[in-house]
Amino acid sequence: DTGVSQDPRHKITKRGQNVTFRCDPISEHNRLYWYRQTLGQGPEFLTYFQNEAQLEKSRLLSDRFSAERPKGSFSTLEIQRTEQGDSAMYLCASSLSGKTYEQYFGPGTRLTVT
Amino acid sequence: GENVEQHPSTLSVQEGDSAVIKCTYSDSASNYFPWYKQELGKRPQLIIDIRSNVGEKKDQRIAVTLNKTAKHFSLHITETQPEDSAVYFCAASPDDKIIFGKGTRLHILP
Repeated sequence: DTGVSQDPRHKITKRGQNVTFRCDPISEHNRLYWYRQTLGQGPEFLTYFQNEAQLEKSRLLSDRFSAERPKGSFSTLEIQRTEQGDSAMYLCASSLSGKTYEQYFGPGTRLTVT
Repeated sequence: GENVEQHPSTLSVQEGDSAVIKCTYSDSASNYFPWYKQELGKRPQLIIDIRSNVGEKKDQRIAVTLNKTAKHFSLHITETQPEDSAVYFCAASPDDKIIFGKGTRLHILP
């Protein structure tokens, strides 16, 4: 499968625990984006990388959230001290910087905080 | 920042009829307008996009129109089929990120 992949697909955790999600972009894509989607809403931008550099972070990304893309390939999104309000679908997308605008999404990681 | 409004939130059309979804945006710097289709439990999929240097684009049964002066853009689906049932999101991009509308749930009635 040459599309964007995400792992795990589902995560259930207790409030206060830390969780980490992984995204593997399309192999030749140098831009990688993280979005959050709650029920009945469109995806909301969280942050994005060009290669290993994190270029922008949304105000939605509180200090409990951190994202990395250490080698410019896969990325991780960590949420520390999870809260019930963090329950959502976390989507990753990737694109080429030359064709920046066409973003292709992964299947998402559904997080449930109990 | 950019704000994208989308309506209607729900749309039911008879199979074979046309469906129209309308969006407005606020940031005049936006120059790219993609449309995504999301089926239940699936990822958003890019179905068509338009850039600010054109007013209309068509791909088989799907067409998009853009009015930059009014900051309006629309999705038109003709000859709707059951597999068109999904949530459709419009979006606008003023820079490197995409700002999405809240979605339109399209029901195709038999």
